[in-house]
Amino acid sequence: GEEVAQTPKHLVRGEGQKAKLYCAPIKGHSYVFWYQQVLKNEFKFLISFQNENVFDETGMPKERFSAKCLPNSPCSLEIQATKLEDSAVYFCASSRSFSNEKLFFGSGTQLSVL
Amino acid sequence: GESVGLHLPTLSVQEGDNSIINCAYSNSASDYFIWYKQESGKGPQFIIDIRSNMDKRQGQRVTVLLNKTVKHLSLQIAATQPGDSAVYFCAENLDYKLSFGAGTTVTVRA
Repeated sequence: GEEVAQTPKHLVRGEGQKAKLYCAPIKGHSYVFWYQQVLKNEFKFLISFQNENVFDETGMPKERFSAKCLPNSPCSLEIQATKLEDSAVYFCASSRSFSNEKLFFGSGTQLSVL
Repeated sequence: GESVGLHLPTLSVQEGDNSIINCAYSNSASDYFIWYKQESGKGPQFIIDIRSNMDKRQGQRVTVLLNKTVKHLSLQIAATQPGDSAVYFCAENLDYKLSFGAGTTVTVRA
């Protein structure tokens, strides 16, 4: 596609429930990034992929967060046992390369944990 | 025009005036910088970028200035319009990922 497509737009979960977010990068882009934005503030890097391989996961809370980018499937970000502080907008972005290349962002998934 | 010397979280500007948004970046090794615009309920939208071997780059109504000596980046918007109201973020390319600064909320007064 011509744009990064994220689904769902909104997701509401009770504390302790699982949340799964999806992202289809722009066609031809091999690099995918996930960012978390809390209260419209700064973007926190979570994880990046080169095709289906994890490149950098230094931003991921290891215990409850996981992500995948499998061939011929949308990328996904999963949060097991959500907590109140996971409430945020999660953005996916894609690019053609890792360095010196702008990222194209999706519209985000608003996750509300109640 | 309206300008700020240091990063401020908000900027109010009269329609038709010029705006200047400032950003300090963290790492002298960063070699690529981007300005993004984020409107309410949307993802960041690319405005303009600049590589570290340049100190100025112009686009349509926008100019980015890079001062590597003091690790400072600025975005100038000429003849600010109501549609320019948004939150603006600078980002630096560091360790193969973009690291974002705090945003500046620009409000355009009619």
